[in-house]
Order: sequence, then C-alpha cells, then structure tokens
Amino acid sequence: AQKVTQAQTEISVVEKEDVTLDCVYETRDTTYYLFWYKQPPSGELVFLIRRNSFDEQNEISGRYSWNFQKSTSSFNFTITASQVVDSAVYFCALSGLNYGGSQGNLIFGKGTKLSVKP
Amino acid sequence: DVKVTQSSRYLVKRTGEKVFLECVQDMDHENMFWYRQDPGLGLRLIYFSYDVKMKEKGDIPEGYSVSREKKERFSLILESASTSQTSMYLCASRPGGVPYGYTFGSGTRLTVV
Repeated sequence: AQKVTQAQTEISVVEKEDVTLDCVYETRDTTYYLFWYKQPPSGELVFLIRRNSFDEQNEISGRYSWNFQKSTSSFNFTITASQVVDSAVYFCALSGLNYGGSQGNLIFGKGTKLSVKP
Repeated sequence: DVKVTQSSRYLVKRTGEKVFLECVQDMDHENMFWYRQDPGLGLRLIYFSYDVKMKEKGDIPEGYSVSREKKERFSLILESASTSQTSMYLCASRPGGVPYGYTFGSGTRLTVV
C-alpha cells in the first residue's frame, strides 16, 4: 500500500531562518511521482513541484529546494531564508502511474503547518 | 487563467438539510475529486470521478453522494447534513494519463448547525 508520512505536525521559525519539511513515502511501484503543495491561510492548495521516481536530481527554485533520495524514500523540502509569506500548511503527496481508475490518485501526507514569525 | 471554481466560499446549513456543493473546472480535465479537510486528519478523499457519469468511492463516502453529468462539473451532495459534516471541502481536477498535479479550488467551509 502507498503511504506518505509527514512527521512534523507544526514548525515555527523566525524570519530568515532556513527550514526543512520532511516527507517519507512508501510504495511498491517502481515508477511513481512525488509532489509538494502549499496551502496558505486563504485555503487553496497550490502546486509547487512534481518529481518522478527516475529523476533524483535535486531541484532548486528561488528560495525553495527539494531533496529526493530513493535510498531513504524521502522527498524533503527546504525553504532558505524563510519569510512571513511562507507561513502555510505544506502537503507532500505520492502517485503511481495512471492506469485508469484510482491508480493515479494522489496519496497525501497529513501536512506540516509552518509558521514564520517576523 | 485555468481554474477550479467552487460555488460557495462559506456555507451554513441546518441539520437534516440536503446540501449541494458545486465544482466547475475549465481545463477539460477527465478526473475530478472531492476531499474534506479537518484539523489533524489532513485531506480525506470522499469521492472521485475519472469520466462523465463515472464515480468511485474514496476513503470516507458515507453520508455523501456525487453527480457528474458534464465533464466540467462535479457536485457533492450531502443527503441529510449532520454536524459531523462540518468541515472544509476541497474540489480538485487533473488531466487523464500521466499523473500531473491536481488543480484545487479555493474550498468551501461548511458549517452544519
């Protein structure tokens, strides 16, 4: 069965600190996809990144970076020099290939609430 | 700008009422989903649909039904609302084929009194 664990329920940091959000996944599929979403206080989940299981290169987008390690089944998300606007709930998600029906549905972790204080 | 639109941002209903939550997407996506979000429980899948008139139960379908008569619209129905269904409801859609990310609506916060 597929599963995503975000062990950190809540994290609080002071602005300009770096913060890493952990994501550990379980799957028997050899081909799968990993995602991160951000949910600001307004409520709408915003897509941040998708990574497939064959691409273990780390990704950097501005202050955001993602570290994918198949050996530890982890897909961690780091925010460098955090800002108040980064305050949100962040979800990690996993999907297999979409063969139709539920096969490609996203399995979400329970989310990590990040509070960045000025 | 492509989007998923949920008809109401906030909704207050009485116990026993039949409640309709509407979701419309303009991206010609095959797949649509309804989730509820509660503190500490994350996102829980209620129902999903991968084609017009097709529907599948998610993890917590009890007390809910859905309708998908047109590709762009996916409705969630609470047959007889109860206070336990007070929650944030999120609709999402996604193209068929390789699993792209979902596009989410902004959510409907439903309070049943």
